[in-house]
Amino acid sequence: GNSVTQMEGPVTLSEEAFLTINCTYTATGYPSLFWYVQYPGEGLQLLLKATKADDKGSNKGFEATYRKETTSFHLEKGSVQVSDSAVYFCALILSGGYQKVTFGIGTKLQVIP
Amino acid sequence: GAGVSQSPSNKVTEKGKDVELRCDPISGHTALYWYRQSLGQGLEFLIYFQGNSAPDKSGLPSDRFSAERTGGSVSTLTIQRTQQEDSAVYLCASTLSTEHYGYTFGSGTRLTVV
Repeated sequence: GNSVTQMEGPVTLSEEAFLTINCTYTATGYPSLFWYVQYPGEGLQLLLKATKADDKGSNKGFEATYRKETTSFHLEKGSVQVSDSAVYFCALILSGGYQKVTFGIGTKLQVIP
Repeated sequence: GAGVSQSPSNKVTEKGKDVELRCDPISGHTALYWYRQSLGQGLEFLIYFQGNSAPDKSGLPSDRFSAERTGGSVSTLTIQRTQQEDSAVYLCASTLSTEHYGYTFGSGTRLTVV
């Protein structure tokens, strides 16, 4: 079956530190990959996506590259801010017809001033 | 509407009571999903609607859980005879195309069964 594995956290960083949240996946086909973010008290928001190998998704200073050879989609940001404190979910969906999104467990990020 | 709207935002109920959770998706989104988010458990898929039909109900945890959608729009998730393990945040999402757009989520309903 399909699955997404990501570091559980919590991850605590100082402001302006470099962020990496690891995500690896297993899938029976060729998935599209996503990162969602959930700010405190809010619903999940799509942060970025990549639909094929070697694509790089980027948004709000965050980046993730679809690596088929390592089945990974690690989230990175060069300089985090306090406002980035949230829970980050890696997710995948297979292409073709109806498919439901498979989510990782979520990684809580806390950025301290 | 501009986003996915869920109501109520918080619900506290006594064990054994029935509850109804409502989701109003983005206008024009034909696909609607319910997920459950429990502490430390990530997101658990419950049910998927395409229009008014539910081709995938595989995530509903028991026959106490049911959902319907009317007019290709509003959906209601009903939990009968609630149990303490039903306590969670119930999230609704809608989309035109998951592959290209991902989901748009509502803010969720936090259900607490006491």
